[in-house]
Amino acid sequence: SYELTQPPSVSVSPGQTASITCSGDKLGDKYACWYQQKPGQSPVLVIYQDSKRPSGIPERFSGSNSGNTATLTISGTQAMDEADYYCQAWDSSPYVFGTGTKVTVL
Amino acid sequence: QVQLVQSGAEVKKPGASVKVSCKASGYTFTSYYMHWVRQAPGQGLEWMGIINPSGGSTSYAQKFQGRVTMTRDTSTSTVYMELSSLRSEDTAVYYCARGGDGYHYWGQGTLVTVSS
Repeated sequence: SYELTQPPSVSVSPGQTASITCSGDKLGDKYACWYQQKPGQSPVLVIYQDSKRPSGIPERFSGSNSGNTATLTISGTQAMDEADYYCQAWDSSPYVFGTGTKVTVL
Repeated sequence: QVQLVQSGAEVKKPGASVKVSCKASGYTFTSYYMHWVRQAPGQGLEWMGIINPSGGSTSYAQKFQGRVTMTRDTSTSTVYMELSSLRSEDTAVYYCARGGDGYHYWGQGTLVTVSS
Protein backbone atom coordinates (compact mmCIF):
# COMPACT_ATOMS: atom_id res chain seq x y z
CA SER A 1 0.00 0.00 0.00
CA TYR A 2 1.09 3.56 -0.62
CA GLU A 3 2.82 5.32 2.27
CA LEU A 4 3.76 8.93 2.99
CA THR A 5 6.49 9.62 5.54
CA GLN A 6 6.97 12.86 7.49
CA PRO A 7 9.41 13.77 10.27
CA PRO A 8 7.69 13.40 13.65
CA SER A 9 8.69 16.86 14.81
CA VAL A 10 10.15 20.15 13.64
CA SER A 11 11.25 22.98 15.91
CA VAL A 12 11.56 26.58 14.76
CA SER A 13 12.25 29.95 16.35
CA PRO A 14 9.72 32.75 15.85
CA GLY A 15 10.38 34.60 12.61
CA GLN A 16 12.45 31.80 11.14
CA THR A 17 11.57 29.33 8.37
CA ALA A 18 10.17 25.86 9.00
CA SER A 19 10.28 23.19 6.31
CA ILE A 20 8.30 19.96 6.55
CA THR A 21 8.94 17.15 4.11
CA CYS A 22 6.60 14.41 2.91
CA SER A 23 8.13 11.45 1.12
CA GLY A 24 6.41 8.86 -1.03
CA ASP A 25 7.12 6.87 -4.16
CA LYS A 26 6.70 9.14 -7.21
CA LEU A 27 4.76 11.62 -5.09
CA GLY A 28 5.62 14.29 -7.65
CA ASP A 29 3.33 12.54 -10.13
CA LYS A 30 0.36 13.25 -7.87
CA TYR A 31 -0.97 16.44 -6.31
CA ALA A 32 -0.02 17.06 -2.68
CA CYS A 33 -2.18 18.77 -0.08
CA TRP A 34 -1.23 19.98 3.38
CA TYR A 35 -3.42 20.35 6.47
CA GLN A 36 -2.86 22.15 9.74
CA GLN A 37 -4.52 20.79 12.87
CA LYS A 38 -4.58 22.41 16.29
CA PRO A 39 -5.65 20.52 19.43
CA GLY A 40 -9.35 19.79 19.58
CA GLN A 41 -10.05 21.26 16.15
CA SER A 42 -10.84 19.90 12.70
CA PRO A 43 -7.95 20.06 10.23
CA VAL A 44 -7.60 23.11 7.98
CA LEU A 45 -6.37 22.96 4.38
CA VAL A 46 -3.32 25.23 3.96
CA ILE A 47 -1.98 24.04 0.57
CA TYR A 48 -3.66 22.20 -2.32
CA GLN A 49 -2.50 21.20 -5.80
CA ASP A 50 1.10 21.24 -4.52
CA SER A 51 1.42 25.01 -4.08
CA LYS A 52 -1.94 26.80 -4.06
CA ARG A 53 -3.22 28.54 -0.95
CA PRO A 54 -6.94 28.60 -0.12
CA SER A 55 -8.39 32.01 0.57
CA GLY A 56 -7.59 33.17 4.07
CA ILE A 57 -4.34 31.23 4.37
CA PRO A 58 -1.38 33.59 4.97
CA GLU A 59 1.26 34.01 2.28
CA ARG A 60 3.92 32.67 4.63
CA PHE A 61 2.64 29.17 3.81
CA SER A 62 4.01 27.74 0.57
CA GLY A 63 4.40 24.33 -0.99
CA SER A 64 6.33 22.42 -3.62
CA ASN A 65 6.31 18.86 -4.95
CA SER A 66 8.83 17.07 -7.13
CA GLY A 67 10.25 13.59 -7.48
CA ASN A 68 9.48 11.68 -4.32
CA THR A 69 9.14 14.64 -1.96
CA ALA A 70 6.60 17.35 -1.23
CA THR A 71 7.59 20.21 1.04
CA LEU A 72 5.58 22.65 3.12
CA THR A 73 7.45 25.82 4.02
CA ILE A 74 6.38 28.30 6.66
CA SER A 75 8.29 31.55 6.31
CA GLY A 76 8.44 34.00 9.19
CA THR A 77 6.89 31.42 11.51
CA GLN A 78 4.56 32.77 14.18
CA ALA A 79 3.51 31.31 17.49
CA MET A 80 0.04 30.67 16.06
CA ASP A 81 1.58 28.25 13.52
CA GLU A 82 2.37 25.74 16.27
CA ALA A 83 0.28 22.72 15.29
CA ASP A 84 0.32 19.28 13.70
CA TYR A 85 0.71 19.20 9.93
CA TYR A 86 -0.32 16.38 7.60
CA CYS A 87 0.39 15.88 3.91
CA GLN A 88 -1.96 13.97 1.65
CA ALA A 89 -1.55 12.49 -1.81
CA TRP A 90 -4.47 13.70 -3.86
CA ASP A 91 -4.65 11.24 -6.72
CA SER A 92 -7.34 8.64 -6.50
CA SER A 93 -8.50 6.12 -3.97
CA PRO A 94 -6.94 5.59 -1.47
CA TYR A 95 -6.31 9.21 -0.47
CA VAL A 96 -3.41 8.49 1.84
CA PHE A 97 -2.31 10.85 4.61
CA GLY A 98 1.23 11.33 5.81
CA THR A 99 2.33 10.31 9.29
CA GLY A 100 2.11 13.87 10.60
CA THR A 101 4.61 16.42 11.90
CA LYS A 102 4.36 18.40 15.11
CA VAL A 103 5.70 21.91 14.62
CA THR A 104 6.92 23.58 17.79
CA VAL A 105 7.65 27.31 17.83
CA LEU A 106 10.27 27.85 20.51
CA GLN B 1 -21.57 29.37 3.19
CA VAL B 2 -20.60 25.73 3.02
CA GLN B 3 -21.32 23.77 6.20
CA LEU B 4 -20.93 20.14 7.14
CA VAL B 5 -22.75 19.34 10.38
CA GLN B 6 -22.22 15.93 11.94
CA SER B 7 -24.25 13.98 14.45
CA GLY B 8 -23.35 13.85 18.10
CA ALA B 9 -21.00 11.71 20.12
CA GLU B 10 -21.72 8.00 20.50
CA VAL B 11 -20.76 5.33 23.04
CA LYS B 12 -20.96 1.76 21.80
CA LYS B 13 -20.12 -1.68 23.12
CA PRO B 14 -17.68 -3.96 21.33
CA GLY B 15 -19.37 -5.82 18.50
CA ALA B 16 -22.01 -3.17 17.95
CA SER B 17 -22.43 -0.83 14.97
CA VAL B 18 -22.45 2.95 14.76
CA LYS B 19 -23.93 5.23 12.12
CA VAL B 20 -22.64 8.79 11.84
CA SER B 21 -24.38 11.42 9.74
CA CYS B 22 -23.04 14.48 7.95
CA LYS B 23 -25.53 17.07 6.71
CA ALA B 24 -24.27 19.37 3.96
CA SER B 25 -25.51 22.85 3.14
CA GLY B 26 -24.43 25.89 1.18
CA TYR B 27 -23.62 24.12 -2.08
CA THR B 28 -25.04 21.63 -4.58
CA PHE B 29 -24.87 18.36 -2.66
CA THR B 30 -24.46 16.13 -5.71
CA SER B 31 -21.58 18.13 -7.19
CA TYR B 32 -18.86 17.03 -4.76
CA TYR B 33 -17.74 13.65 -3.47
CA MET B 34 -17.72 13.23 0.30
CA HIS B 35 -14.89 11.55 2.18
CA TRP B 36 -14.69 10.09 5.67
CA VAL B 37 -11.54 10.41 7.77
CA ARG B 38 -10.92 9.26 11.32
CA GLN B 39 -8.42 10.09 14.03
CA ALA B 40 -7.78 7.89 17.04
CA PRO B 41 -6.75 9.63 20.28
CA GLY B 42 -3.24 11.05 19.92
CA GLN B 43 -2.87 9.55 16.45
CA GLY B 44 -2.81 10.80 12.87
CA LEU B 45 -5.46 11.15 10.21
CA GLU B 46 -6.69 7.99 8.51
CA TRP B 47 -8.68 7.96 5.27
CA MET B 48 -11.65 5.61 5.37
CA GLY B 49 -13.46 6.00 2.10
CA ILE B 50 -15.42 8.10 -0.35
CA ILE B 51 -18.97 8.35 -1.66
CA ASN B 52 -20.33 10.00 -4.77
CA PRO B 53 -23.55 11.68 -3.61
CA SER B 54 -24.80 11.82 -7.19
CA GLY B 55 -24.95 8.10 -7.95
CA GLY B 56 -24.11 6.62 -4.56
CA SER B 57 -20.98 4.79 -5.71
CA THR B 58 -18.37 4.18 -3.02
CA SER B 59 -14.75 3.24 -2.56
CA TYR B 60 -13.37 2.10 0.78
CA ALA B 61 -9.89 1.80 2.22
CA GLN B 62 -8.84 -1.83 2.23
CA LYS B 63 -8.55 -1.78 6.02
CA PHE B 64 -12.29 -1.14 6.39
CA GLN B 65 -13.61 -3.31 3.56
CA GLY B 66 -16.47 -5.44 4.81
CA ARG B 67 -17.04 -3.33 7.95
CA VAL B 68 -17.89 0.11 6.58
CA THR B 69 -20.87 1.26 4.56
CA MET B 70 -21.30 4.78 3.22
CA THR B 71 -24.68 5.93 1.97
CA ARG B 72 -26.43 9.17 1.11
CA ASP B 73 -29.87 10.74 1.14
CA THR B 74 -30.15 13.36 -1.57
CA SER B 75 -33.50 14.59 -0.24
CA THR B 76 -31.81 15.84 2.95
CA SER B 77 -28.27 16.40 1.58
CA THR B 78 -26.93 13.98 4.15
CA VAL B 79 -24.26 11.31 3.94
CA TYR B 80 -23.89 8.48 6.41
CA MET B 81 -21.00 6.30 7.53
CA GLU B 82 -21.81 3.05 9.29
CA LEU B 83 -19.06 0.99 10.90
CA SER B 84 -19.87 -2.46 12.21
CA SER B 85 -18.22 -5.05 14.48
CA LEU B 86 -16.78 -2.26 16.58
CA ARG B 87 -13.69 -2.89 18.70
CA SER B 88 -11.81 -0.69 21.13
CA GLU B 89 -9.36 0.35 18.38
CA ASP B 90 -12.25 2.05 16.58
CA THR B 91 -12.47 4.66 19.32
CA ALA B 92 -11.78 7.85 17.38
CA VAL B 93 -13.11 11.13 16.08
CA TYR B 94 -14.78 10.60 12.72
CA TYR B 95 -14.85 13.45 10.21
CA CYS B 96 -16.65 13.99 6.94
CA ALA B 97 -14.82 16.20 4.45
CA ARG B 98 -15.93 17.55 1.10
CA GLY B 99 -13.83 16.42 -1.83
CA GLY B 100 -12.69 18.46 -4.82
CA ASP B 101 -9.06 19.50 -4.91
CA GLY B 102 -8.30 18.87 -1.27
CA TYR B 103 -10.59 19.05 1.76
CA HIS B 104 -11.57 22.70 1.84
CA TYR B 105 -14.46 21.90 4.18
CA TRP B 106 -14.64 19.55 7.16
CA GLY B 107 -17.34 18.57 9.59
CA GLN B 108 -16.84 19.29 13.27
CA GLY B 109 -16.09 15.65 14.01
CA THR B 110 -18.00 12.95 15.88
CA LEU B 111 -16.39 11.13 18.79
CA VAL B 112 -17.18 7.44 18.81
CA THR B 113 -16.14 5.63 21.97
CA VAL B 114 -16.10 1.83 22.02
CA SER B 115 -16.09 0.48 25.54
CA SER B 116 -17.59 -2.40 27.45
